Amino acid sequence: EIVLTQSPGTLSLSPGERATLSCRASQSVSRSFLAWYQQKPGQAPRLLIHGASSRATGTPDRFSGSGSGTDFTLTISRLEPEDFAVYYCQQFGSSRTAFGQGTKVEIK
Amino acid sequence: QVQLVQSGAEVKKPGASLRVSCKAAGYTFNNFYIQWVRQAPGRGLEWMGLINPSGGSTDYARKFQGRLIMTRDTSTSTAYMELSSLKSEDTAVYYCATRYGGRSDYWGQGTLVTVSS
Repeated sequence: EIVLTQSPGTLSLSPGERATLSCRASQSVSRSFLAWYQQKPGQAPRLLIHGASSRATGTPDRFSGSGSGTDFTLTISRLEPEDFAVYYCQQFGSSRTAFGQGTKVEIK
Repeated sequence: QVQLVQSGAEVKKPGASLRVSCKAAGYTFNNFYIQWVRQAPGRGLEWMGLINPSGGSTDYARKFQGRLIMTRDTSTSTAYMELSSLKSEDTAVYYCATRYGGRSDYWGQGTLVTVSS
C-alpha cells in the first residue's frame, strides 16, 4: 500500500507569507489521482486541488499544486486569515486510497 | 445542489455494531462512488473503504477487513457503512464523500460515534 508522508507537521506563519506544504509518496502516484483538502475545526474536509494541480471550483488562485511521481507540493502564495487550517493530501491509487497525516498551518 | 446527509450521532458499547447512513441528493446516485473516511478526536483522516453504487462492489482498507461492510440502496439513494466489534479506538467522526476519478468534491456533515462502556 502507498504511504503518504506530509511535512512539516506544523507550519507557523504570518498572514501575507507564503506557505509550502509537501506530500511525499512511498511509491509513484499518478498525477490524476493526487488531491489536496483543507479542513477547519468542526468541519468536513473541503477539496482544494485535484489532479495534482487543478483548482477545484471555488478555490482561490493563491492556492496552487505541483509535483509528480513521489513528490507533490501545495503552495499558498499569500496567506489570508481564513487559510489557517489543516491540509491533507490524498492519493486514489489502484492499491486503495490513502491520506497523508496532515499539515497544520497556524498563525505565528 | 449535491448533498450528502448522514445519520445522527451514536453512542455504542464495546463489542456492539454500528450502522451509519449517507443519503445522497442532487445528482444521479450511480454516477459517483461513495467513500467512507473517519477521524478520531485530534487525529487525521483515515480512509476506510468505498462502494460503487452501480453494482455494489466494494473495496475496504486492510485494517477493517472482516468487520466492515458497505452497502447501498439505490431506491433511496442511500449508502450504509456497518462496523462491527466496536472498540474504544473506533470513537471518531465518520464521513461519507463522493469519489469521481481522483477527487472527492462532496462530503457529508459527519457522524460522531462514541464507543464507551
